[in-house]
Amino acid sequence: QVQLVQSGAEVKKPGASVKVSCQASGYSFTSFGITWVRQAPGQGLEWMGWISTSNGITIYAQKFQGRVTMTSDTSTSTAYMELRSLKSDDTAIYYCARVVDMTTIARFDYWGLGSLVTVSS
Amino acid sequence: DIQLTQSPSSLSASVGDRVTITCRASPNINNYLNWYQHKPGKAPRLLIYAASSLQSGVPSRFSGSGSGTEFTLTISSLQPEDFATYYCQQSYSTPRALTFGGGTKVEIK
Repeated sequence: QVQLVQSGAEVKKPGASVKVSCQASGYSFTSFGITWVRQAPGQGLEWMGWISTSNGITIYAQKFQGRVTMTSDTSTSTAYMELRSLKSDDTAIYYCARVVDMTTIARFDYWGLGSLVTVSS
Repeated sequence: DIQLTQSPSSLSASVGDRVTITCRASPNINNYLNWYQHKPGKAPRLLIYAASSLQSGVPSRFSGSGSGTEFTLTISSLQPEDFATYYCQQSYSTPRALTFGGGTKVEIK
């Protein structure tokens, strides 16, 4: 069965970086993209960007341009999201999800359970 | 940028009720609209894609309709496990700016 297993909770200081991992299993990793979505406390879902796992092409939401890097390792079927220059309002649960039909009616059909990132001095 | 506005932001309903949630898009997004269910501490779940297609494994009490700028998610008979927050998401801008609506929290009356 399809599973996306994410890395554990992290606590970071303002200005630091965090790298969250998402290991996929149960399907052909390079046949689907991976997207990252976050949810801050008491807030809704916010799309951050996505990576094509077949060719490494990335597209980031404008809000995160210059501060986020998404990568993937096909040898381990793992996607990564690194966020730099962390601020307190980056405190959130970060989700990875599998992307279906990214070039048409893109949708996210399987999700990880989320990784809590807390930014605090 | 495409804006998605969900209404209401929250609602109270009883088991067995028919519940309708609206998502308005600006500008027109044809049928490039998906719906998700999210419960605290759990992963979001895709319910409906392309405005009206039911995702595999999702109960038939969930349905979606609409096109262009107005969309609805309907739960025909609310079940205890349906109390959650529901989000619409547009993919008209794909592969860029795949925005979510603000969410609708469905609570027990």
